[in-house]
Amino acid sequence: DAGVTQSPTHLIKTRGQQVTLRCSPKSGHDTVSWYQQALGQGPQFIFQYYEEEERQRGNFPDRFSGHQFPNYSSELNVNALLLGDSALYLCASSLFQAGSSYNSPLHFGNGTRLTVT
Amino acid sequence: DQQVKQNSPSLSVQEGRISILNCDYTNSMFDYFLWYKKYPAEGPTFLISISSIKDKNEDGRFTVFLNKSAKHLSLHIVPSQPGDSAVYFCAANSGYSTLTFGKGTMLLVSP
Repeated sequence: DAGVTQSPTHLIKTRGQQVTLRCSPKSGHDTVSWYQQALGQGPQFIFQYYEEEERQRGNFPDRFSGHQFPNYSSELNVNALLLGDSALYLCASSLFQAGSSYNSPLHFGNGTRLTVT
Repeated sequence: DQQVKQNSPSLSVQEGRISILNCDYTNSMFDYFLWYKKYPAEGPTFLISISSIKDKNEDGRFTVFLNKSAKHLSLHIVPSQPGDSAVYFCAANSGYSTLTFGKGTMLLVSP
């Protein structure tokens, strides 16, 4: 049973460039969320995708965008990179539960370490 | 504005003793609380959760206590083992598993 997989594991980009991170959810999961974890901080919610639509969004600028594909995999795109975007980007998947405000527990991938120079 | 706070950056415990990790929150709309464990170079791993309608949930060596009036929860690990050494994150559900995390507490269990 494959868990959440993310690619690439590490990435170095220059300020002003654009980056795309990829995520495949755990088998059987239909919802994908993205989190940013800066050094010494807890993960911070970026956005969540369900049924190929952005359902929830955290306090991140429009430079951060995403997409979910019919097979439930997802991409996170960041435009006009800033030095402050350097962080570990975590993808998490869960299973939507109708009638509940709480999905199944999030399963996280190992993350993509993005360094912006 | 930190809605979930873990005020102890680190905790050291001897093997076999109890580890108690604490977490405070400010948003009374949170309805579900979770603890995650994170090893270096890995993503967070779900440990245990508790609904806001309960005050205790137990799973093996792990017990989570919730005090809604104090907006406080704690994770007890008994007995602690060296393999429990990791960073522990407290998280609260804002809806559809959109989680707000604390900054984490690094637990070190020494033999």
